[in-house]
Amino acid sequence: EPEVTQTPSHQVTQMGQEVILRCVPISNHLYFYWYRQILGQKVEFLVSFYNNEISEKSEIFDDQFSVERPDGSNFTLKIRSTKLEDSAMYFCASSENAAGDNEQFFGPGTRLTVL
Amino acid sequence: GEDVEQSLFLSVREGDSSVINCTYTDSSSTYLYWYKQEPGAGLQLLTYIFSNMDMKQDQRLTVLLNKKDKHLSLRIADTQTGDSAIYFCAETYSGTYKYIFGTGTRLKVLA
Repeated sequence: EPEVTQTPSHQVTQMGQEVILRCVPISNHLYFYWYRQILGQKVEFLVSFYNNEISEKSEIFDDQFSVERPDGSNFTLKIRSTKLEDSAMYFCASSENAAGDNEQFFGPGTRLTVL
Repeated sequence: GEDVEQSLFLSVREGDSSVINCTYTDSSSTYLYWYKQEPGAGLQLLTYIFSNMDMKQDQRLTVLLNKKDKHLSLRIADTQTGDSAIYFCAETYSGTYKYIFGTGTRLKVLA
């Protein structure tokens, strides 16, 4: 069964460093998403991406964040200068289209720890 | 505003039914979802319900939606130890791509 994969599973970085979280969405999917979950808190939407551009973003997704689909398979989230409060589990998701009954398939997540 | 709330913990005995509850505030929700998260794994969709439905049954899972009270529940019949996980409800509505998740309910099934 096709699945969303994410690398690395755990990333440790120093405050102020740049990190890139990588995702490989399901191959025939057209919509891509990033969510994050700070420990003990809700899963929060960050951004959605379609047709090589951001279709929606939350207030969390400020200038420190960017997304890219550098090739036909990868979808990346870059945090330019990490802060302690960026420590969280980051989930990538993809869906075939944007309709409500279209399931968003989630990857296993990348745990980001900022020291 | 968008807010989805769940109780944090539920403990049941193996073989009993589990009922996990969720309340939401956005009356324009179109679809409501239940996701399961096992340790170290991503979020797995269990089932979803369209907002014009009251109930949906899928094998051991029954979803009830009370739109007037903005209350969603997930009933798991004959709960097994393998059902131990965190269960998230989520909603979406017209004009947005995002899912709005609840806090998650940690279900512990006692043998």
